Amino acid sequence: GAGVSQSPSNKVTEKGKDVELRCDPISGHTALYWYRQSLGQGLEFLIYFQGNSAPDKSGLPSDRFSAERTGGSVSTLTIQRTQQEDSAVYLCASRHPGGKSYEQYFGPGTRLTVT
Amino acid sequence: QKEVEQNSGPLSVPEGAIASLNCTYSDRGSQSFFWYRQYSGKSPELIMFIYSNGDKEDGRFTAQLNKASQYVSLLIRDSQPSDSATYLCAPGGYQKVTFGIGTKLQVIP
Repeated sequence: GAGVSQSPSNKVTEKGKDVELRCDPISGHTALYWYRQSLGQGLEFLIYFQGNSAPDKSGLPSDRFSAERTGGSVSTLTIQRTQQEDSAVYLCASRHPGGKSYEQYFGPGTRLTVT
Repeated sequence: QKEVEQNSGPLSVPEGAIASLNCTYSDRGSQSFFWYRQYSGKSPELIMFIYSNGDKEDGRFTAQLNKASQYVSLLIRDSQPSDSATYLCAPGGYQKVTFGIGTKLQVIP
């Protein structure tokens, strides 16, 4: 079946502009995660959704970052007034609700470049 | 102390050798662990998960979990150049998941 999809795959924006990144999880996956990965760095947790609610927003770096999820499916990560340090690959992952395993399935990522 | 600690490497092994990747964790409540492989410029992909003490084998890969000592390891037998990647470990969890920084493995032909 279809995997996690993200759009756009690449985004170049000017400093100070707002950007929206989209994630379409695997159908039936109730949990959705956003991560950020800067060049040569590990995965940085941003936010987690269970259904449409976000019990854990602790990873959002600043109030310029926000995310929402509608219909228990698509999620949008919004970065306002982008800064150069926001340049990174933004990865989305989804997880099946049940079972012993909690493996996450990752999308291909959105590479954000702020100039 | 970080929740999950990994040596960032790079770990270099000759082709055909056994590569041993290690991960220690701080949360004694962690019940399961995952190993993800990430090729340069690509997304992480799941290669192994383990939720019982002991070993779990899948082809050339063996995951080992020692809950008493709070470490999990991944052994890759007969290493191939195509195994060259960064390997991330992460505890299984219902909510927030903290990944290790990842160990970069280089298999030298």
